[in-house]
Amino acid sequence: KAGVTQTPRYLIKTRGQQVTLSCSPISGHRSVSWYQQTPGQGLQFLFEYFSETQRNKGNFPGRFSGRQFSNSRSEMNVSTLELGDSALYLCASRSQGLAGTDTQYFGPGTRLTVL
Amino acid sequence: DQQVKQNSPSLSVQEGRISILNCDYTNSMFDYFLWYKKYPAEGPTFLISISSIKDKNEDGRFTVFLNKSAKHLSLHIVPSQPGDSAVYFCAARNGNQFYFGTGTSLTVIP
Repeated sequence: KAGVTQTPRYLIKTRGQQVTLSCSPISGHRSVSWYQQTPGQGLQFLFEYFSETQRNKGNFPGRFSGRQFSNSRSEMNVSTLELGDSALYLCASRSQGLAGTDTQYFGPGTRLTVL
Repeated sequence: DQQVKQNSPSLSVQEGRISILNCDYTNSMFDYFLWYKKYPAEGPTFLISISSIKDKNEDGRFTVFLNKSAKHLSLHIVPSQPGDSAVYFCAARNGNQFYFGTGTSLTVIP
């Protein structure tokens, strides 16, 4: 099976712009989560989508939004970019297996730099 | 509010010795715990997990220990190898949400 893919891998934007990141989960996985990773902050949960519905949301401002399509692919949008949005954005998918086997599989991430 | 904490940002260990990575959590509702390994420019890779009903899970050189009364999780790597050098994240699940620590950078010295 192909792994989780994310596009683009690198992005450079300027303050005030908006950006859209894309994630394709592992085939058959219906849950897609997004995380922001910054130095010293670990992985901060943004939101999770399951069957095209946002199921969980982290503590991020409304500038961060997402959606999921019927094929489980997901997009994340950040509007009015700020310097502090510079980070690695990771997407993870999971199959919703039994509790003992519930594992998220991560993509390689999109490195966003805001100038 | 950081519900999962890794208080050691870095750790250096000699090749062949044991590496012990630690993780503390505050939420007693967490029912599933995982360790991930991350190399630069790659996404985290799942390493090993443990359910809250167990206190130990072993997979080859990797063993995870869970002490629920102390709300403490640890990962033991024996023997450590240079290829184990990476950032290790612990994670905990509550419902459908996963909470991650800030990571510990492990360096295994040949």
